[in-house]
Amino acid sequence: QVQLQQWGAGLLKPSQSLSLTCAVAGGSFSGYQWTWVRQAPGQGLEWIGEINERGDTDYSPSLKSRVAMSVDTSKRQFSLSLTSVTAADTATYFCARGQGLQLWRFTHYYLDVWGRGTSVTVSS
Amino acid sequence: EIVLTQSPGTLSLSPGERATLSCRASQRVSTDTLAWYQQKSGQAPRLLVYATSRRAAGIPDRFSGSGSGTDFTLTVNRLEPDDSAVYFCQQYVSSPKTFGQGTKVEIK
Repeated sequence: QVQLQQWGAGLLKPSQSLSLTCAVAGGSFSGYQWTWVRQAPGQGLEWIGEINERGDTDYSPSLKSRVAMSVDTSKRQFSLSLTSVTAADTATYFCARGQGLQLWRFTHYYLDVWGRGTSVTVSS
Repeated sequence: EIVLTQSPGTLSLSPGERATLSCRASQRVSTDTLAWYQQKSGQAPRLLVYATSRRAAGIPDRFSGSGSGTDFTLTVNRLEPDDSAVYFCQQYVSSPKTFGQGTKVEIK
């Protein structure tokens, strides 16, 4: 059974950088889109972006200038970095596994396994 | 960017009743690329349905998805107290892979 275990700093000051890591326990690391999603307090879900085992990334345009994702296949981990944080970045951050569904020439990825979330607060 | 609009915002129903949740997309979404998630208070989301109508592993058949084009529906039959949660739809055909704002289901 695949589990995602995530960690990172929970309290940041404005202008600092957020750094979170997610480790994949069980299952394969290849063939998936490793994804980050966040949820501001009392709000909905926001897709941040995804990365595969080759390091190919896709980021949300709204965060693209501040986001970087990386992957360490030897450790079966992937990470999220978000620079210049503000109070608007206060949220619970989830890592998730994008499971592929191949249709014709394309593969589309839905989120079938989720981490428990890391609460991040940005406050001076 | 594809915008997903969910309705109603809140559903308040009794055990045994049926919940019908709507998700409308701002442009056509392939039926193969629409998912539904359930999120209980303080927990991570859980995949219920993918490709519009395929139930995820371990999801009871009380949950069913349907729809096409821009209109999609999640139906929950024979509501149970444990179904109390917020339900989100997501399109994963194009980036950014957006979510709807959620429908809260309350069990009376």
